[in-house]
Amino acid sequence: GENVEQHPSTLSVQEGDSAVIKCTYSDSASNYFPWYKQELGKRPQLIIDIRSNVGEKKDQRIAVTLNKTAKHFSLHITETQPEDSAVYFCAASMKLTGGGNKLTFGTGTQLKVEL
Amino acid sequence: NAGVTQTPKFQVLKTGQSMTLQCAQDMNHEYMSWYRQDPGMGLRLIHYSVGAGITDQGEVPNGYNVSRSTTEDFPLRLLSAAPSQTSVYFCASSLTGLAIHEQYFGPGTRLTVT
Repeated sequence: GENVEQHPSTLSVQEGDSAVIKCTYSDSASNYFPWYKQELGKRPQLIIDIRSNVGEKKDQRIAVTLNKTAKHFSLHITETQPEDSAVYFCAASMKLTGGGNKLTFGTGTQLKVEL
Repeated sequence: NAGVTQTPKFQVLKTGQSMTLQCAQDMNHEYMSWYRQDPGMGLRLIHYSVGAGITDQGEVPNGYNVSRSTTEDFPLRLLSAAPSQTSVYFCASSLTGLAIHEQYFGPGTRLTVT
């Protein structure tokens, strides 16, 4: 099955700096890569996603890059703010035999933005 | 729209007890799923459903049952709770099972089994 590895597990940056979180996946059949943000005690929420036919996608201060050959994808947050502090999860999606898509999640990165 | 709702928010069970975690969505989504979240392990898929009357196993189905009698509801049943089932449980739904459709998560149920 799919295996997703995520690094680092914790990341501390100064406000205004950039943050980069990296993930690798194992199954070349995976074709959709979402990123979720989870604040303490809250539900995961989708912040950005990328499909396998695209190399990069941006949405204001966040961007995701995908290297299909190397099977890795990264989340980039620029000009970090204290409200960016949260746990970030990457995921890889592949089709299930019963229909639908299975999301395999990374183990999460605790991002702390310090003033 | 209330989105995806889950009850209860918190639950404490004794080993061997049974209970049902409730999940409902009012967005007419075909696809619903259950995940568990454990520290350091991300979210893992327990069971999923691509539509009413259809369910299938995910990555960690043992000890859990599901049914999908209506589009709106997707309850998760623990038949005989074990301490290893202590976790936070999230229900999610999306318009269809296709990857192009975003999965929306419920607020979660924190379950402790003693």
